[in-house]
Amino acid sequence: SQELEQSPQSLIVQEGKNLTINCTSSKTLYGLYWYKQKYGEGLIFLMMLQKGGEEKSHEKITAKLDEKKQQSSLHITASQPSHAGIYLCGADISGGYQKVTFGIGTKLQVIP
Amino acid sequence: DVKVTQSSRYLVKRTGEKVFLECVQDMDHENMFWYRQDPGLGLRLIYFSYDVKMKEKGDIPEGYSVSREKKERFSLILESASTNQTSMYLCASSQQYNEQFFGPGTRLTVL
Repeated sequence: SQELEQSPQSLIVQEGKNLTINCTSSKTLYGLYWYKQKYGEGLIFLMMLQKGGEEKSHEKITAKLDEKKQQSSLHITASQPSHAGIYLCGADISGGYQKVTFGIGTKLQVIP
Repeated sequence: DVKVTQSSRYLVKRTGEKVFLECVQDMDHENMFWYRQDPGLGLRLIYFSYDVKMKEKGDIPEGYSVSREKKERFSLILESASTNQTSMYLCASSQQYNEQFFGPGTRLTVL
């Protein structure tokens, strides 16, 4: 089983709709990172969360880390075709040399 | 802008060949990482380095070795390529306890 579980694994939404992607662990997340990946390309950093209860926003994307630091959510408001891609969460669950464990990813398609 | 570059976007090799994948970063980052990404398995850490000449095994180091002779360069070596090493290879770098910056990836096919 994955140490970081992402849900859903894939998502198809209509343009303009809101959506949420979740990232859950049974271990404490010392640092939680959200990335976006276009098919066949590298990962683009979106946001980093470190403190329990922390919330960050960038344009129409908001990420939160729960108080217990075991779950994070990524929320996209009024989705656009440019939001399509694979969203990955990554976290330092060892508290060591920033060895990051990644979830499998959530594939997002936005239909015009 | 932070830049992480990888020597090739696509590579085709034959079974048994020695393969070198090069990664260069221009941000003076201490940490560098090599991952492979496979459908259904996600990103898996092969090796990482937190300093020149230092290396640590990741989750799947078997069949791979690495070299970091200079701070900006981290090489991944497949001593004898096998078909099960066909994958997307991603390099990343970071400052201590900060986000990782990724290269564009190398799609390696071993025939």
